[in-house]
Amino acid sequence: QQQVKQSPQSLIVQKGGISIINCAYENTAFDYFPWYQQFPGKGPALLIAIRPDVSEKKEGRFTISFNKSAKQFSLHIMDSQPGDSATYFCAASKGGGSNYKLTFGKGTLLTVNP
Amino acid sequence: DAGITQSPRHKVTETGTPVTLRCHQTENHRYMYWYRQDPGHGLRLIHYSYGVKDTDKGEVSDGYSVSRSKTEDFLLTLESATSSQTSVYFCAISAGGLTGNTIYFGEGSWLTVV
Repeated sequence: QQQVKQSPQSLIVQKGGISIINCAYENTAFDYFPWYQQFPGKGPALLIAIRPDVSEKKEGRFTISFNKSAKQFSLHIMDSQPGDSATYFCAASKGGGSNYKLTFGKGTLLTVNP
Repeated sequence: DAGITQSPRHKVTETGTPVTLRCHQTENHRYMYWYRQDPGHGLRLIHYSYGVKDTDKGEVSDGYSVSRSKTEDFLLTLESATSSQTSVYFCAISAGGLTGNTIYFGEGSWLTVV
């Protein structure tokens, strides 16, 4: 049972274009939705995150759009650059206490061509 | 840098041998996690800890055990390594307990079981 579904698996974009990665979740108890960026040979690093009380969050060229009723959220990378080429993971978590943990999507390999 | 050190970073071992991976943190975080990353599967939680001697299973815990005898160290043990455990293992930490606390990852340990 996959609780967070991510698409597409891979994405090729031209420099300057918009990259869009989508995620859908099933558990309505999820209340924190981060995106991680991972370069080859490195650990994932937090890129941007959102909570369900807002529909959009923007940090520089990166924007998360959140649709609570559809249980979907997406990452938009504006003016994509070759340096953005990496694997991107969406994730979700619920609450806190002793059960605090993230559930990840399977990842999207983004290639930005110069 | 989240103050996480994983060791060893690379290891080749034979089927049936025990293997222990170590995660060391310097910032006294309560939560520690072990994830494995495999192509097509993304990041999957093996075990996690929410305090000294407090651990719980993740979604792919079979064949793995963990121990946390002090705050700074979280050990992952493969009692009898199998080829299916060839993977990249990531340790992660979080202050945890509150919605939205960031999870930080280490640099990974590449394990090959031959």
